[in-house]
Amino acid sequence: KAGVTQTPRYLIKTRGQQVTLSCSPISGHRSVSWYQQTPGQGLQFLFEYFSETQRNKGNFPGRFSGRQFSNSRSEMNVSTLELGDSALYLCASGPYYFGGGAHTEAFFGQGTRLTVV
Amino acid sequence: AQSVSQHNHHVILSEAASLELGCNYSYGGTVNLFWYVQYPGQHLQLLLKYFSGDPLVKGIKGFEAEFIKSKFSFNLRKPSVQWSDTAEYFCAVNAFGFTSGTYKYIFGTGTRLKVLA
Repeated sequence: KAGVTQTPRYLIKTRGQQVTLSCSPISGHRSVSWYQQTPGQGLQFLFEYFSETQRNKGNFPGRFSGRQFSNSRSEMNVSTLELGDSALYLCASGPYYFGGGAHTEAFFGQGTRLTVV
Repeated sequence: AQSVSQHNHHVILSEAASLELGCNYSYGGTVNLFWYVQYPGQHLQLLLKYFSGDPLVKGIKGFEAEFIKSKFSFNLRKPSVQWSDTAEYFCAVNAFGFTSGTYKYIFGTGTRLKVLA
C-alpha cells in the first residue's frame, strides 16, 4: 500500500509570491490534515479536510487555505508569502475524521520544504 | 489554551542508558495520546498510542509510555537505548476543544534524542 505522497519535496519562492502544495493520502483515507513544522515550534496544526470539506482549522492567517478533491487528494495554498512561512509542511492522512475524536494514528508524508527568500 | 508540553528539547545519552521523555497536556476531558518518532530523513511514524484501558502501553522497538491522568502526563520510556534510537520524538494529543466543538490533533515541540555509540 503506497504511503502519503507530498509534492514537490522542495520549493524556493520569493516573498510576496504564492505557492501550492499537494498531498495524496493513502488509498481509502478520507481525512487529510496539514501541519507546519519549524525548529522549536514543533508541528502547528493548519487544518483538516474530510470528505472534501474543511472541518477543523488552526490559528493561521487567511493566507493559508486548502481544498480537498473527490479522490481525497488535497492541496494547500499560501498566498503573499512571508519570510516566516519558511518551514517543512507536512500532510497527514487517516481513515476517519480526527476532529470527531478518532484515535487512529495519523500517517505522515515526508513533507514539502518551503524556503521563502 | 490547549497545549502539549515537552520539557526536554535535547537529550544526549550513551548506548544502554535508560530513557524517559516527559509529556504533559492541558486538556481536562477525554484524550487520545500518541508518541511519534521522526528518524533523520524519514517521515513521522507512530511509536505507540493510548485511548483507553491499561494506562501502561507498549509500542514498537521496546518503547513504552504511561498515562497518568492525575498528572496530565504521558511519558515515554525505554530501558536501554540504542544508537539507532537517535531521532526526534513528538508527543501528540487528540483532545476535545470546548471552544471549537471538535477534537484537535495537537503536537508538542519535540525532543531531539542523540544516542552516543
